[in-house]
Amino acid sequence: EVQLVESGGGLVLPGGSLRLSCAASGFTFNSHWMSWVRQAPGKGLEWVASIKQDGSGQYYVDSVKGRFTISRDNAKNSLFLQMTSLRAEDTAIYYCARDRLQGRADDYWGQGTLVTVSA
Amino acid sequence: EIVLTQSPATLSSSPGERATLSCRASQSVSSHLVWYQQKPGQAPRLLIYGASNGATGTPARFSGSGSGSDFTLTISSLEPEDSAVYYCQQRCDWPITFGQGTRLEIK
Repeated sequence: EVQLVESGGGLVLPGGSLRLSCAASGFTFNSHWMSWVRQAPGKGLEWVASIKQDGSGQYYVDSVKGRFTISRDNAKNSLFLQMTSLRAEDTAIYYCARDRLQGRADDYWGQGTLVTVSA
Repeated sequence: EIVLTQSPATLSSSPGERATLSCRASQSVSSHLVWYQQKPGQAPRLLIYGASNGATGTPARFSGSGSGSDFTLTISSLEPEDSAVYYCQQRCDWPITFGQGTRLEIK
């Protein structure tokens, strides 16, 4: 059974940092692109970042470029999102998502971890 | 950036009725259009990929159509459990973008 379990969310001060993790199981992790998608309270979905199977390529939404870094450890079946210079507008549930083997759609999602940026 | 516009924002229908949800792209995305369903308190669920291909487990009453810049998600006969927010997503170009969602209410 495919499972994606996020952790690392919490309350952080503006300007602070946080590292999110996503533990993957039940599939061949290094065969899939992986992504982070967020959802601000009561709002819609926003794609944040994606990373290629071997970690050689990363893509980001403009609003997080230079502040967030997506990475993966294929030996540990784990996905990460290092977030720095956090702002109030980064407050959201952050979901880890797996791309289909053939790409171009996220076929499995974790349950999300809440990040709250507030003083 | 490719902007996706979904309509209507909210749709209220009765069980057994047909529902049609629209997603329009600001430029062509070919067939690289995806539909997700999200229920309150849950993660999104993949329904349709490649504009018209049902994901594993998607009930047959859900179908997708369209190409280029105009897409439709059709639910042929609504069930109470179809009450949710539906999002379209384009996977043609970076950045990946979502529509703002259509809230489907079942009376």
